[in-house]
Parts: sequence; structure tokens; C-alpha cells
Amino acid sequence: AQSVTQLDSHVSVSEGTPVLLRCNYSSSYSPSLFWYVQHPNKGLQLLLKYTSAATLVKGINGFEAEFKKSETSFHLTKPSAHMSDAAEYFCVVKGQGGKLIFGQGTELSVKP
Amino acid sequence: DTAVSQTPKYLVTQMGNDKSIKCEQNLGHDTMYWYKQDSKKFLKIMFSYNNKELIINETVPNRFSPKSPDKAHLNLHINSLELGDSAVYFCASSQPGLQGRRDNSPLHFGNGTRLTVT
Repeated sequence: AQSVTQLDSHVSVSEGTPVLLRCNYSSSYSPSLFWYVQHPNKGLQLLLKYTSAATLVKGINGFEAEFKKSETSFHLTKPSAHMSDAAEYFCVVKGQGGKLIFGQGTELSVKP
Repeated sequence: DTAVSQTPKYLVTQMGNDKSIKCEQNLGHDTMYWYKQDSKKFLKIMFSYNNKELIINETVPNRFSPKSPDKAHLNLHINSLELGDSAVYFCASSQPGLQGRRDNSPLHFGNGTRLTVT
């Protein structure tokens, strides 16, 4: 069975500093992985997805994620945080039947 | 030109009532889903339909009944509402990948319906 674990429930950074949101996955086969973002009282927006074409995936708003099979990780990064990045971030793996299995979420706070 | 739209956005009701949430997608996708987000923001799938056929039913109480009149619509009806049903419910859609190939198609989500049962 597939699962994801987000290692931090809350991350706080200062504006202009790098962002690292950690995610480890468990899958019996090559996984389909995604990062979604949820701004307060909003729906979920796709940031990026891993398609196996490249281990470093670029997403929207300057976010990237690197797939590391040896570490079973898919961490999300951004070189420089912006105030508008404050939101809840979800690491997601696609399971059987096409259903998405969500991690517990990481709340990102950005201080001015 | 909203891709996945759900109504209402907010729903406040009393215990024991019956309510429905509607969802429509104009993306031409074959598969639609209902997810529940609890107070800790954890998201869990409830149902999935592919071309009007139920394919996923995740141990959801019988009080919850999805209805898919066509592949662009997936409504959620809830009978005898309980306090524990209070949550945000998200509808989503996707276009499954080709059979035999890994499915990495993303889900497109609606903006959610915040249900409060008093």
C-alpha cells in the first residue's frame, strides 16, 4: 500500500529565506507523487507532480521537488520565501483506483 | 469558466437533517471524487466514480450516498446529519491514465463546502 509522511506539521521561515518541506513516501512500485497547496479557506491547487521523466521537478510559483528513490523522499523547496507562500502544503501519492493519498500537511508560516 | 464547482460554499444545519452538496466539472474528465477534510486539515477520500460507476467507497457510513447523473456531475447526499459530519467536503475530478501505464494525472479540486452541524 502507498503512503506519505510529512515530517513537519509546521514550518516557519523569514521572507526571502529558503523553504524546505519534507516528505517521505512508501510504495511497492514506482510512485506517482504530487505536492498540493491550500491557502486559507480555499481549495487545493496543484504545485507540481513527479512523472519519472526527471527527478527534479519544477512547479508553479518557484517551487521545486526532488525525487530521491534511495531515500524514498520527495521534498519541496523554494529558494526564497514570499509572504504569499503562507499556506498548508500537502504531499500526495496516487494509490490504486486513482485515489490520492494525502500526507498530514505542513503549515508554512512566513515572517516579514 | 470554473473547472470544478461545488455548491453551496457554506452549509449550516441541525442534527438529524438531510442535506445535499452538488458538484460539476467542465473539464471533460471521466472520474470524480469526494474528499472529506477534518478539523486537523487531514484529507481522506470518501468516494470515486468513473463514468457514473462507483469505483471507490472508503468505509463511509450508509448515511452518505453519492449520485452521479452523468460523468460531469457527482452529488453527495447526507441523511440524518451528525455533529461529527462537520467538515469541509471537496469534490475533485481527473482523467485517468492509459491502462497499463502509470497514472500520474492530477486531481482538480473544487473550492470546498464547509458543513457545520449544530
